[in-house]
Amino acid sequence: AQSVTQLDSQVPVFEEAPVELRCNYSSSVSVYLFWYVQYPNQGLQLLLKYLSGSTLVKGINGFEAEFNKSQTSFHLRKPSVHISDTAEYFCAVSDQASGGSNYKLTFGKGTLLTVNP
Amino acid sequence: DAGVTQSPTHLIKTRGQQVTLRCSPISGHKSVSWYQQVLGQGPQFIFQYYEKEERGRGNFPDRFSARQFPNYSSELNVNALLLGDSALYLCASSLALTDTQYFGPGTRLTVL
Repeated sequence: AQSVTQLDSQVPVFEEAPVELRCNYSSSVSVYLFWYVQYPNQGLQLLLKYLSGSTLVKGINGFEAEFNKSQTSFHLRKPSVHISDTAEYFCAVSDQASGGSNYKLTFGKGTLLTVNP
Repeated sequence: DAGVTQSPTHLIKTRGQQVTLRCSPISGHKSVSWYQQVLGQGPQFIFQYYEKEERGRGNFPDRFSARQFPNYSSELNVNALLLGDSALYLCASSLALTDTQYFGPGTRLTVL
């Protein structure tokens, strides 16, 4: 069974400061990794994904994440945040190969990023 | 291109009633998944359909059912509603079973 742990439930930062949102996962098989963002009263928007290849992936809105297999982590970073980045961020995993069954996403509980002026 | 669409946006029901939620995938996408997001939590997987066949089911009671139509749209049905079914129900579509899932805006269900 897979699990995802987002280590911080809330992260307050000031505008233009750097931010890191932490994500660790547990799985017995190789995984795909995702970060989604949810703005208030909206659905989930894909920020970035790691499928294979380079461990540093770049996404939309200046976000990037690094896959670390030995640490089973996929932390999300942004060098300078804006007020508009205030939202809930979810880390998710799915199996790379589940025997042709399903490729459900398993989500963490989310991290609320609040950017203050 | 239009994204994933869901209807209705909001719904209020009373305990014991039944509800049907609808989802239209992105054009060309053949797989639809449903997730339940309770306030303050991450989404939980309910069902995944591909080419009109159920390909996965999460840990939800039999009161939850779904189907996918020939045009790849999908419905989620919940019978005998409980207060605990109050949540945001999210639909996601993907090109194929293994592809990236793209989410709709969700249906907010309130059970009184």
